[in-house]
Amino acid sequence: DQQVKQNSPSLSVQEGRISILNCDYTNSMFDYFLWYKKYPAEGPTFLISISSIKDKNEDGRFTVFLNKSAKHLSLHIVPSQPGDSAVYFCAASDTGGSQGNLIFGKGTKLSVKP
Amino acid sequence: DAGITQSPRHKVTETGTPVTLRCHQTENHRYMYWYRQDPGHGLRLIHYSYGVKDTDKGEVSDGYSVSRSKTEDFLLTLESATSSQTSVYFCAITDGSREQYFGPGTRLTVT
Repeated sequence: DQQVKQNSPSLSVQEGRISILNCDYTNSMFDYFLWYKKYPAEGPTFLISISSIKDKNEDGRFTVFLNKSAKHLSLHIVPSQPGDSAVYFCAASDTGGSQGNLIFGKGTKLSVKP
Repeated sequence: DAGITQSPRHKVTETGTPVTLRCHQTENHRYMYWYRQDPGHGLRLIHYSYGVKDTDKGEVSDGYSVSRSKTEDFLLTLESATSSQTSVYFCAITDGSREQYFGPGTRLTVT
């Protein structure tokens, strides 16, 4: 049973516009959430994270929003650039049963068109 | 970039043969992980290690074993490779913080 869900396999956005990638989770014990970006033939790279005690974290063009009551988080990229085209993975962890191990979603492929 | 290398980067092997993948880190991080990535499945944890000689199973550990005799090396072994183990394998490390840092991956094809 999937604990972390990324329901959109792909997303296409025009350069300069906002990209919004969504992620839902089912385990209420998750207390830390991360986004990774992956280019073809490379390993995933850490992008941004958020603790469950916050509802927003911002780093340059990237902002992650957390809605705990809805068990939902989203990654906003503003403005989107062609170099942002990649697969984005959402991940979650808790310090309890999973020993802090990360549970990943299936990923969303973002295409930013010039 | 975190100092993580994986070898080999590509391997083609036949069903039934043993295969060992190596992950090497220069960061002296305590925790190391092996994942596999398959279309439609994202990243799934195979095994992880929280110190030398301390390892544990992840979500998809059947058919895999690991060893960690030194802090810097974490080996993943497929005792008898099967076609279902064709995948891209990633190693990751962390010093105990929640963020894990990934290696470049090994593409394994079992024919």
